[in-house]
Amino acid sequence: EIVMTQSPATLSVSPGERATLSCRASQSVRNNLAWFQQKPGQAPRLLINGASTRATGIPARFSGGGSGTEFTLDISSLQSEDFALYYCMQYNNWYTFGQGTKLELK
Amino acid sequence: QLHLQESGPGLVKPSETLSLICTVSGGSVRTTAYAWGWVRQPPGKGLEWIGSMYYTGHTYYNPSLESRVTMSVDTSKNQFSLQLSSVAAADTAVYYCALPERGVWGQGALVTVSS
Repeated sequence: EIVMTQSPATLSVSPGERATLSCRASQSVRNNLAWFQQKPGQAPRLLINGASTRATGIPARFSGGGSGTEFTLDISSLQSEDFALYYCMQYNNWYTFGQGTKLELK
Repeated sequence: QLHLQESGPGLVKPSETLSLICTVSGGSVRTTAYAWGWVRQPPGKGLEWIGSMYYTGHTYYNPSLESRVTMSVDTSKNQFSLQLSSVAAADTAVYYCALPERGVWGQGALVTVSS
């Protein structure tokens, strides 16, 4: 089983600032990595797949990077609606999710 | 545009079998382009993949749940289903049908295991 580890567990950032979330895979997943945003009571919303490709309708302030075992999600100039839970997910060998990073208002 | 909708009982007794159906609209379940999947999320916790299957019948389950999971497809109704046997309180969760990396998720169905 591929284990996905996200860091930090909680990230406190002020609106307008930049946030960087990290995700590490226990073995290479090539670029088969997706990022999701989830708000209370809602299904996960796909932000990024293929490690760096924004999904349809996702603002350009969201960007993904990395390959192999190390990945990042950058959110430039945080907006109020960006404060939420974020999950990474590998789909190189079926699916495994990270435990999530809570992006909270500082 | 694909749309998925879960349906099924919201309350299941311990040791019984949880059964959910996912209805597919905006496309056909008869495709080998992707595998239809289930993901669950216990209250306040993270996401866990349960399993995926192709309409041809090929199934792939999370090893941690494999002994209790059965998935099937009904092409006549454009639906696929999940059965999870011998449930316990730890199986209480929101269950999503999904094509995760394609960004297609149902709204989720809360299933509570309680007597």
